[in-house]
Amino acid sequence: AQSVTQPDIHITVSEGASLELRCNYSYGATPYLFWYVQSPGQGLQLLLKYFSGDTLVQGIKGFEAEFKRSQSSFNLRKPSVHWSDAAEYFCAVATWDSNYQLIWGAGTKLIIKP
Amino acid sequence: EAGVAQSPRYKIIEKRQSVAFWCNPISGHATLYWYQQILGQGPKLLIQFQNNGVVDDSQLPKDRFSAERLKGVDSTLKIQPAKLEDSAVYLCASSLKVVGPLYEQYFGPGTRLTVT
Repeated sequence: AQSVTQPDIHITVSEGASLELRCNYSYGATPYLFWYVQSPGQGLQLLLKYFSGDTLVQGIKGFEAEFKRSQSSFNLRKPSVHWSDAAEYFCAVATWDSNYQLIWGAGTKLIIKP
Repeated sequence: EAGVAQSPRYKIIEKRQSVAFWCNPISGHATLYWYQQILGQGPKLLIQFQNNGVVDDSQLPKDRFSAERLKGVDSTLKIQPAKLEDSAVYLCASSLKVVGPLYEQYFGPGTRLTVT
């Protein structure tokens, strides 16, 4: 069965510092890959997605993610975080085997130090 | 474009009571999803509708949960009777397509349910 692992439950970074959130998946082929952000009291918002093509994907709010097939990873990055980026971030995959339903990681909570 | 609407935003009930949640998806979105998100976890799919038909309800606890989407637009999720472990945020999402480049699920703000 497919699964998604986000190894870090919490990450703390200083405002202005760079960020990388890790996501690993288990699936034999290339899945559809997503990163969502959930701010307190708000619904999940799509940051970016990868279906095919260029493995470096640009998203909203200055985020990007890189698909690495050899590592089964889809890590999320941002060169300089802002206090407003404090939120929970979820990686998800969708596959033919899952009828394209989203399989979610447990999330990583991002804490920004002033 | 209006987003996915959900109500109520918060609900507190006692165990064994019943509760209903409402969702209005984005106009034109044929696919509607209900998720349960327990604190500290990712969302768990409860049921997926395509228009007014059920595509997947394999993770819906059917002894107490029910959902309907009668006219292929709005949807209602009901819990009866509620248990303490049902305390969670219930998310509704909709999508235009279920596969391909247009596939993106848009989420509502959720309903936070507390069962005491």
